[in-house]
Amino acid sequence: ETGVTQTPRHLVMGMTNKKSLKCEQHLGHNAMYWYKQSAKKPLELMFVYSLEERVENNSVPSRFSPECPNSSHLFLHLHTLQPEDSALYLCASSQEGVPYNEQFFGPGTRLTVL
Amino acid sequence: GENVEQHPSTLSVQEGDSAVIKCTYSDSASNYFPWYKQELGKRPQLIIDIRSNVGEKKDQRIAVTLNKTAKHFSLHITETQPEDSAVYFCAPVNAGGTSYGKLTFGQGTILTVHP
Repeated sequence: ETGVTQTPRHLVMGMTNKKSLKCEQHLGHNAMYWYKQSAKKPLELMFVYSLEERVENNSVPSRFSPECPNSSHLFLHLHTLQPEDSALYLCASSQEGVPYNEQFFGPGTRLTVL
Repeated sequence: GENVEQHPSTLSVQEGDSAVIKCTYSDSASNYFPWYKQELGKRPQLIIDIRSNVGEKKDQRIAVTLNKTAKHFSLHITETQPEDSAVYFCAPVNAGGTSYGKLTFGQGTILTVHP
């Protein structure tokens, strides 16, 4: 499946590193999302971008910084993370304005913070 | 905000048996009720959904039933197969509340189908 892609698929970083996660969608959607998925926890919505504007920030620490340069690309910039930030980070996209819209997920980036 | 609970958290069945997962929610304005399936190491994918003006929807071996009065909806899988083994998430939403799909996911149910 190539509708929503994410890179890298795996990332190991130290607490002082700076890294970025990338998401790209090829579905013509105009809303994009970042989710965090930890073991034994539900999918947690982090950020929502609708028409390239951030419309939702679910009390996410400032060490996570999203960027949406256009409707096809979404980034999550990471700096000074903590070990508890280790998780699977999923990107998703959907079409705004369509009721009952399905969200299409990327394969995720497995992040390990040492 | 929406409070969502799924039960059970784990479910183990024999191949050919039926499986039922229940999702309760708190926001009476919710009007769209999807179920997502996430196989091990893979991305979540929508498998079935229902809208608030419908009480039941079926697609081959899977079905979803909705009880808006009691604020719960359930996923039913009949004649289970090993490939049904996955984590299932409900994600009720008020689709008319915003122009984008702000889903609140349940904690997930791990379904294991034994051959």
